[in-house]
Amino acid sequence: DIQMTQSPSSLSASIGDTVTITCRASQGIREALGWYQQQPGKAPRRLIYSASSLQSGAPVRFRGIGSGTEFTLIINNLQPEDLATYYCLQYRSYPWTFGQGTRLEIK
Amino acid sequence: VQLVQSGGEVKKPGASVRVSCRTSGYSFDSYGITWVRQAPGQGLEWMGWSTYNGQTNTAQRFLGRLTMTTDTSSSTAHMDLKSLTSADTAVYYCARVNVYLDTEDVISVADIWGQGSLVTVSS
Repeated sequence: DIQMTQSPSSLSASIGDTVTITCRASQGIREALGWYQQQPGKAPRRLIYSASSLQSGAPVRFRGIGSGTEFTLIINNLQPEDLATYYCLQYRSYPWTFGQGTRLEIK
Repeated sequence: VQLVQSGGEVKKPGASVRVSCRTSGYSFDSYGITWVRQAPGQGLEWMGWSTYNGQTNTAQRFLGRLTMTTDTSSSTAHMDLKSLTSADTAVYYCARVNVYLDTEDVISVADIWGQGSLVTVSS
């Protein structure tokens, strides 16, 4: 199975900050990666697919970069509604696997 | 586009549970449904997917316990999990997926999600 290692596991940032979350795959997955946001008590929501494509309706302050084994989610101009846990998901090979999640708190 | 899941369930150890996912707003036979679960306070775990024609891909750890089916007449997907233990207590989510049926390569994964269904296993 491909292991997805996310870092950090949690972070705290202020409104207007830029935040970076990283996912590392245990083997190359090309660009078969998505980023998901899960706000407290809600279902996950896709933000990014194919590593860097913005989901329709997602705010443009979310950006995904990377390919192969290293991927990054960048959140610019942090907003209060960005309080959530973020997950990466690889779908290059079965079983699909998620990162362990990054909990983002707003200072 | 909407995925609406069935309500929560409470089951005893050893029992089975069915979670349903009713879809609307798109062509059901152009997509599949994938299932993801989340134990209390934990992360997301992929379980498998099924397509309109009955093709499935199941995570190995659920083989023999998980059955995923689709009903094209009602545009509904079902997930049946048997031999439940307390470790199966979780919120179960369905999400839309699109794969090439011949290669099982992915076109699109989990762009739309259901609201989740809490399954509690307790004696």
